[in-house]
Amino acid sequence: EDQVTQSPEALRLQEGESSSLNCSYTVSGLRGLFWYRQDPGKGPEFLFTLYSAGEEKEKERLKATLTKKESFLHITAPKPEDSATYLCAVQAGYGQNFVFGPGTRLSVLP
Amino acid sequence: GAVVSQHPSWVICKSGTSVKIECRSLDFQATTMFWYRQFPKQSLMLMATSNEGSKATYEQGVEKDKFLINHASLTLSTLTVTSAHPEDSSFYICSARDESTYEQYFGPGTRLTVT
Repeated sequence: EDQVTQSPEALRLQEGESSSLNCSYTVSGLRGLFWYRQDPGKGPEFLFTLYSAGEEKEKERLKATLTKKESFLHITAPKPEDSATYLCAVQAGYGQNFVFGPGTRLSVLP
Repeated sequence: GAVVSQHPSWVICKSGTSVKIECRSLDFQATTMFWYRQFPKQSLMLMATSNEGSKATYEQGVEKDKFLINHASLTLSTLTVTSAHPEDSSFYICSARDESTYEQYFGPGTRLTVT
């Protein structure tokens, strides 16, 4: 059975304090790993898709990396507006459903 | 990027009534759409996969007679919560799959409160 776990469950950072979020997965034949940001009361906002081990993608203060067992979302010098829940999801193959992790609630304090 | 809309964004209804939620892909065609449910501080749980022109596929434990899904066109799927009860109160989110990229794009969600 495909499984996704995320750690930590919650993270509080001071503005400018860099850190990383972890997404560990067990899936037979990974087609893609996806990172989303979700603000309270809103739908998930797409951030990145990673397809193979060793791949990295960046967007502003965020950088996502992928290995054969986990993915990291690195946040460099975060700002309060980066506060949100970050979700990762895996897809086992084309046309397969997404399996979501429980998310990491990030709070960045000014 | 691709845009998915949901309507309404929030709805309050009385116990025993039915509520319809619409999900539209605005700038791409979606043969497949997904309906998720999310409780406070929890992740998204897939309820069903909606396929244009055919019956939806429901996840284990989801009552198909209670959560009616219709996907009549390549840009519209609807979820009807029939005979709603307070325990159906939740945040319902749809997503649409762009068939040219297989990426999923999410709608903004619908907050349902059953009194």
